[in-house]
Order: sequence, then structure tokens, then C-alpha cells
Amino acid sequence: ILNVEQSPQSLHVQEGDSTNFTCSFPSSNFYALHWYRWETAKSPEALFVMTLNGDEKKKGRISATLNTKEGYSYLYIKGSQPEDSATYLCASLYNFNKFYFGSGTKLNVKP
Amino acid sequence: GAVVSQHPSWVICKSGTSVKIECRSLDFQATTMFWYRQFPKQSLMLMATSNEGSKATYEQGVEKDKFLINHASLTLSTLTVTSAHPEDSSFYICSARGAGGANQPQHFGDGTRLSIL
Repeated sequence: ILNVEQSPQSLHVQEGDSTNFTCSFPSSNFYALHWYRWETAKSPEALFVMTLNGDEKKKGRISATLNTKEGYSYLYIKGSQPEDSATYLCASLYNFNKFYFGSGTKLNVKP
Repeated sequence: GAVVSQHPSWVICKSGTSVKIECRSLDFQATTMFWYRQFPKQSLMLMATSNEGSKATYEQGVEKDKFLINHASLTLSTLTVTSAHPEDSSFYICSARGAGGANQPQHFGDGTRLSIL
């Protein structure tokens, strides 16, 4: 079992703050890195899939970067809003079908 | 688009009962489906991967005879927890991936909370 770590475990910010989380993963045999947003009482929603070292993806106020050599990815949220409150999961993919998820970062954005 | 429906959402049953959970892709063909289990305050743990028409690939430590997976069509996979016991109580969630391989995201169902009395 490979260890995918996310930090921090939880985060409380004020509306309008920008924030970022980290996902660390083993870089050997790495295939892809996925980010998901999981709101309470809903299913996880795909945010980004990244495969190449140096990849940067953006979706509105959310962006992500990938460093496959050192095994980490950052997720950034600019100008957090209450609707951004959710658990953000990263999953590292190895050997095409083997996903390993981190425990998630729980974000709470206060109005 | 890319909606996955998972049923049931909640199951409470007696020890020894077998429980079937369905995972359907409603608007796309799921060439690969994944089944996960999550214990409280832990990460999603991959149990098995299934491709339509072929046997599921189970992760180390997952009992094939306990957790039967059938991927009968490109839109349906089922997980049957056979002779469930209290230690099988957990949150189970499926995901589906369409054609395009590993660069495609997973689309998740809402999950099933299983409680065995």
C-alpha cells in the first residue's frame, strides 16, 4: 500500500482569503494525480487530472500544480467563498488502475 | 453529464445476510468501475477494479469470496457483500471511468452506508 498524504487535515479561513493544500505521493511508477472536491451529502466531484511534471491546471478560482519528480501537488483557491467549503481529496494513480487516496483536507470558509 | 447512480444509500441488516450494491453510469459507458471502502476518518481504500465482461481485479487483503463484483455491462457493476458480519459495516462507494484511459477522471456514486447488526 502506497502512502498518499495530504496537509493540513483541516483548514478554517475567512471569506475572501486565499488558501492552498498539499498532496504528497510516492513518485516511483507514478501515472497521474487527481483532485476531487467532496461536499457533504454529495458524491466526490472531479476537479483536475494531471500527468506531466510541471502541469498546471485552472478552473475558475481553483488551480493546481504538479511536481512528479519530488512527488507533490498543490491545490490553490483564490478568494475563498463559503460554497468552497468541502473536503478536497487527492488520488495518485499507479499502473493504470491503482488509485491511492489521501485522507483529504477539510476546508471551512466562514462568511 | 457523467452521472453515476449508486443504490441503496443506506442498508441496515442482520448478520449473515448478503447485501447487493448497484453502481450505474447513467449517461456514459463505463469501461472501468472501481469499488472503494472508507472507514471513519480514513481515506478511500480501493477494493477492486472491474472491466466490463471480465473478472474483477482485487486489491491485496480484499477477500474475493466475501466481496463479489460483477460488471455485466458497460453501465452496471454490482458489489455483493456475502454473509455480512458487523466488521463489514462501512461506507462503500463506487466510481466509473469512461473510455480514454487513465487520464480520465473518475465519476463517483453517492456511496452506500452499510450497517450490520
